[in-house]
Amino acid sequence: TQLLEQSPQFLSIQEGENLTVYCNSSSVFSSLQWYRQEPGEGPVLLVTVVTGGEVKKLKRLTFQFGDARKDSSLHITAAQPGDTGLYLCAGARHYSSASKIIFGSGTRLSIRP
Amino acid sequence: EAQVTQNPRYLITVTGKKLTVTCSQNMNHEYMSWYRQDPGLGLRQIYYSMNVEVTDKGDVPEGYKVSRKEKRNFPLILESPSPNQTSLYFCASSSGLAGGPSDTQYFGPGTRLTVL
Repeated sequence: TQLLEQSPQFLSIQEGENLTVYCNSSSVFSSLQWYRQEPGEGPVLLVTVVTGGEVKKLKRLTFQFGDARKDSSLHITAAQPGDTGLYLCAGARHYSSASKIIFGSGTRLSIRP
Repeated sequence: EAQVTQNPRYLITVTGKKLTVTCSQNMNHEYMSWYRQDPGLGLRQIYYSMNVEVTDKGDVPEGYKVSRKEKRNFPLILESPSPNQTSLYFCASSSGLAGGPSDTQYFGPGTRLTVL
């Protein structure tokens, strides 16, 4: 079974600080996605990165796919209480007629006002 | 409103009593999937379906069955539930290959199942 390891598992920081969450694997993925999940709800897709080295920005969130397409990072600048939640990375491998997705175990982020 | 619905949202049952969790999407998506979420393990894929009558095993299929008779519905069946199937279950759908560059996988609100 392919593994996607996320770090850190838990992170509690003060509002206004910067943070980076990592997602690492020994396997190559066709694409990598980041989701955010609120309590009592399903995950919501934030971004999909496809090309090695790709960087995408979503307001204060910057996502990067590793050159070898085995790892990814999520950087949040000037964190706000509204960023609090569970962040999940998910690697996808596409075959001719199927798609297998592996999720990381998640990073629970808490931003203190 | 585009959405994935699951029922029931909460269920407490006993070992061995067959149950079905329903999942329905109104977006005409071809790809649907079931996941379970457990603390420290993230989401693990149980089964997925590429289209009507086309299903395949995910990473943790043991003890589960699925069917895809209609495009919009993808029920998850536990023929003989056991306590180790206590978990939070999510159904998801997407228009193409989940994880594809232009495909968004939409998740339902989750079903919290407890098997005593």
